[in-house]
Amino acid sequence: QVQLVQSGGEVKEPGASVRVSCKASGFNFINYQIAWVRQAPGRGLEWMGWVSPYTGRTQYAPNVQGRVTMTTDAPTTTGYMELRNLSPDDTAVYFCARGVSSGRGLWFGPWGQGTLITVSS
Amino acid sequence: DIVLTQSPDSLSVSLGERATINCKSSRNIFGGPNSQDYLAWYQQKPRQAPRLLLYWASTRESGVSDRFSGSGSGTHFTLTIDRLQAEDVAVYFCHQYFDTPATFGQGTRVDI
Repeated sequence: QVQLVQSGGEVKEPGASVRVSCKASGFNFINYQIAWVRQAPGRGLEWMGWVSPYTGRTQYAPNVQGRVTMTTDAPTTTGYMELRNLSPDDTAVYFCARGVSSGRGLWFGPWGQGTLITVSS
Repeated sequence: DIVLTQSPDSLSVSLGERATINCKSSRNIFGGPNSQDYLAWYQQKPRQAPRLLLYWASTRESGVSDRFSGSGSGTHFTLTIDRLQAEDVAVYFCHQYFDTPATFGQGTRVDI
């Protein structure tokens, strides 16, 4: 079945970087995008961006542009999200999701289980 | 950015009854190359990842119960859950993919 499995949670100090992985299975990896969405504790969903495994093209949300890099590795069907210069405001559960192209944006399904990133000194 | 505002923030529904959740967009999200409404709905149960329920405002994702239905167009949308079951306790989010950045509603909590 279609599945996305993410790496485990991490605790980081302010100013550090984190990389989260997202292993996809059950579908043709290069035919979809890998999107990333985060959810701060007790808060709503915030779109961060997406990457195309086929072209390598990316699109990032303005609030993380410049600090985030999203990549994929097609042979291992894995997506990656690196976020740099972390601050406590980046504490959140980070989700990857399969992005389905609509001709404009993407809808997201299914989702990975989530990865809790805690930023604290 | 397109702002999605859901109402109510929370609601309690008796088992077997209907739940109705509204999502209002700050801009028209109908159109594009598909002449569709670029809106999706997700369900997030406690301590779980979101699950896609509907896209194109009313198309059910594979495997989603037909108790879930979507309606509306342009700027006003509705998610309806018929014959509410205990397993439907969750937070529900709308999401627009008409424009970048993609945005979500703040969520509506449904309980029994």
